[in-house]
Amino acid sequence: EVQLLESGGGLVQPGGSLRLSCAASGFTFSNYAMSWVRQAPGKGLEWVSVISGSGGTTYYADSVKGRFTISRDNSKNTLYLQVNSLRAEDTALYYCAKALRTTGTPYDYWGQGTLVTVSS
Amino acid sequence: EIVLTQSPGTLSLSPGERATLSCRASQSVSSSYLAWYQQKPGQAPRLLIYGASSRATGIPDRFSGSGSGTDFTLTISRLEPEDFAVYYCQHYGSSPFTFGPGTKVDIK
Repeated sequence: EVQLLESGGGLVQPGGSLRLSCAASGFTFSNYAMSWVRQAPGKGLEWVSVISGSGGTTYYADSVKGRFTISRDNSKNTLYLQVNSLRAEDTALYYCAKALRTTGTPYDYWGQGTLVTVSS
Repeated sequence: EIVLTQSPGTLSLSPGERATLSCRASQSVSSSYLAWYQQKPGQAPRLLIYGASSRATGIPDRFSGSGSGTDFTLTISRLEPEDFAVYYCQHYGSSPFTFGPGTKVDIK
C-alpha cells in the first residue's frame, strides 16, 4: 500500500524558513517523480514543484522560484521541500504527491498534508 | 504558462442527475496532458482522469473525460451522494503544471 507522510510544518515568522519532509513507502521510490502541491485555507490547489526519480530534474512555480528547493534522498525514501524567505501568502497545507511516472505525469497518490502558517 | 479556467464555479444538482464540468486552457495542451481530480472536505485530492479520457485505477465508469486542444470536459453520468465535491483540472504537458480554480458540485 502506497503511503506518503508529510511532516515539518508549523508556525513561522515572515522571512523564516522550514524544511518539509515526506516519507514514502509501498512503492519503489526512486522510480517515480514526486511533487509538492499546496492549498491555502479555503482556496484551490496550487502546484509548487516536482522532481524526477533520480533527482536530476526539477521544476518550480514562478511564485516560489528562488525561495523553495525540492530535493529527495532515494536511500531514505524521503522527499523534501526547503522553504525560505516565507511570506504570508505561503500559508497553506502542503501536500506531497507521487507522480504516475515522470515529471510530466499526473499525481496518483497524495499525503494528508502538513500545515505551514506564516505569521508574526 | 498555461492558464486553466473551469466553469461553472458551482454546479447544483440532485443525485441521479448528469454533471458536465468544463476546463478551458489558454493555449493548446500538448498530447492531451490533462487530468481531473476530486477533492472532498478535509481530504487530499484523488486522481480521476488522466490523458484527458483515461480513468485512473479504481475510478467508477460513471466518470468520463473528453476533449483535446484547449477544451476539456468531465462528465459524471449519474451523480451518487459521494460525488458531491470539488473538481480540479490540471495540465501536465509542460511546466508550470498548473491547476484550474475548481468546480464545486453541490446538492440542489
